[in-house]
Amino acid sequence: GNSVTQMEGPVTLSEEAFLTINCTYTATGYPSLFWYVQYPGEGLQLLLKATKADDKGSNKGFEATYRKETTSFHLEKGSVQVSDSAVYFCALSNFGNEKLTFGTGTRLTIIP
Amino acid sequence: DSGVTQTPKHLITATGQRVTLRCSPRSGDLSVYWYQQSLDQGLQFLIQYYNGEERAKGNILERFSAQQFPDLHSELNLSSLELGDSALYFCASSVGTGRYEQYFGPGTRLTVT
Repeated sequence: GNSVTQMEGPVTLSEEAFLTINCTYTATGYPSLFWYVQYPGEGLQLLLKATKADDKGSNKGFEATYRKETTSFHLEKGSVQVSDSAVYFCALSNFGNEKLTFGTGTRLTIIP
Repeated sequence: DSGVTQTPKHLITATGQRVTLRCSPRSGDLSVYWYQQSLDQGLQFLIQYYNGEERAKGNILERFSAQQFPDLHSELNLSSLELGDSALYFCASSVGTGRYEQYFGPGTRLTVT
């Protein structure tokens, strides 16, 4: 079946640091890959997505590239801000199995 | 604002009781999904409806049921509640079936005492 393995947290960084949150997946065929972000007390917001190999999703300075050869979809940002503090979830959906399968989430805290 | 609405925002009830959670999808979206978020289980898929019909079931307990109405809003019914049912319940919607992105509502926080 489908599964997502995500970098364990929590992650604490200083403002303007470089961010990487690792995500690898197991799935048959060609899943779509997503990053969602959950701010305190809120629902999940779609951050970015990629639907095929070598696609790069980007939004708000965050990027992730769909790497089929390494089954990975790592999230990166060049310079984080305090406002990026949240929990980040990697997820996938697949043909015939459209539910989102989530990783365990990575709590990110940015200190000024 | 994702365009997905959920009511109520908070719900506190006692063990053994029954509650109904309501979700309205984004305008034009035909698929509705329900997820449960708890500290020990993470985010778990419960059930999916597409245009009024049940399409997929996940780890949904027999005490739980759902439906999608002709106007496409959905309700999740939780009965014989137990302490372990305390969690955040999210509704999400997408435009159709397939690997589309899902947009989440703000959630309903259920506390069973």
